[in-house]
Amino acid sequence: DAGVIQSPRHEVTEMGQEVTLRCKPISGHDYLFWYRQTMMRGLELLIYFNNNVPIDDSGMPEDRFSAKMPNASFSTLKIQPSEPRDSAVYFCASSLRGVGYEQYFGPGTRLTVT
Amino acid sequence: AQSVTQLDSHVSVSEGTPVLLRCNYSSSYSPSLFWYVQHPNKGLQLLLKYTSAATLVKGINGFEAEFKKSETSFHLTKPSAHMSDAAEYFCVVSDHSVDSNYQLIWGAGTKLIIKP
Repeated sequence: DAGVIQSPRHEVTEMGQEVTLRCKPISGHDYLFWYRQTMMRGLELLIYFNNNVPIDDSGMPEDRFSAKMPNASFSTLKIQPSEPRDSAVYFCASSLRGVGYEQYFGPGTRLTVT
Repeated sequence: AQSVTQLDSHVSVSEGTPVLLRCNYSSSYSPSLFWYVQHPNKGLQLLLKYTSAATLVKGINGFEAEFKKSETSFHLTKPSAHMSDAAEYFCVVSDHSVDSNYQLIWGAGTKLIIKP
């Protein structure tokens, strides 16, 4: 299996622009998670899906962030408009069994907002 | 409430010497516990997991961890450090209690530095 795939690996954008991060989970995994990692705050769970349905989005920082999962093999995390404080590494992870079980992470997208 | 504490933010050892990364947790019921590793500029990789079977768990790359309920600890060890072990390590606890939703609680991480 190819593992969790994320694109792009690096994104540099200007404040105010829309940013879309993409994720393809491991085939057969019903759970998909979006995390953000920064030096200051560590690893934060933003949102997770089960069978393409958002279950818990309490970690989404504000309305500028949105996430979708139109099918079992694709998810997006969108930031509109982006701000410099959104600069971070964003990870997507998938799990076969659920929230409390092992998760498999993608390589991450390093976002820089100038 | 669940929590996980990684007792050292940084650990420095010489190549070829033993590694000990400490983790203590609190959990209402029988937890599942995990160690993940993150190499520089890489994603997180599962090292090993404890899910109420054997208390001594073996993982990848020669790492192992022992679940000690009486001490509420899940320390990660390796007999002999290798330069490639330099990374950040995260201890994670999952609570399966009946009256709370499943969730993963992540430790703050321990950076392992290997001296030549």
